Amino acid sequence: EVQLLESGGGLVQPGGSLRLSCAASGFTFSSYAMSWVRQAPGKGLEWVSGISGSDSSTYYADSVKGRFTISRDNSKNTRYLQMNSLRAEDTAVYYCAKVGGTTSAFDIWGQGTMVTVSS
Amino acid sequence: EIVMTQSPATLSVSPGERATLSCRASQSVSSNLVWYQQKPGQAPRLLIYGASTRATGIPARFSGSGSGTEFTLTISSLQSEDFAVYYCQQYNNWPSYTFGQGTKLEIK
Repeated sequence: EVQLLESGGGLVQPGGSLRLSCAASGFTFSSYAMSWVRQAPGKGLEWVSGISGSDSSTYYADSVKGRFTISRDNSKNTRYLQMNSLRAEDTAVYYCAKVGGTTSAFDIWGQGTMVTVSS
Repeated sequence: EIVMTQSPATLSVSPGERATLSCRASQSVSSNLVWYQQKPGQAPRLLIYGASTRATGIPARFSGSGSGTEFTLTISSLQSEDFAVYYCQQYNNWPSYTFGQGTKLEIK
């Protein structure tokens, strides 16, 4: 079964750091682009960061640029989101999502991991 | 950045009736438009891509139409499991994918 499993969320103080992981099963992650998408409590979906499947180019929303870093480990079939200098407004459920080869849309989503930034 | 605007914010419809949801792009996205369904506590699920192609396993009562800047998701004969929040998203240029703010489909 094709699926994504996120981990690494939790409660962190403002200014702190967390690293989220997104492990893929049932397919080879290196063949596909993927993104992190977040959803603040009671709010809509916001694209955060993306990484290409082919050349590992990375991309960020302006709201996280310079603070978040997306990376990959193909040997573990896993993608990561390193989040530094966290702010209260980063509080959200973070989803990883795979870009479909045929659809070019986010065809597979993880279950999400909650990040809470609070003192 | 391409801004996606969905309407209405909330739509109240009775089971068995038809629901029509709208999505407008601030500039043309051709047919690079998808619809997702999200239920409480769950991740979004891909329904429609390429503006009108149903994803694998999506029932035929879901249909999408439109191109350029105006798009519609139609759900014919609403079932109880269809009441959820629906998001449109444009994918005209990787990775600048932007979402609409969502339409909540509720039971009338």
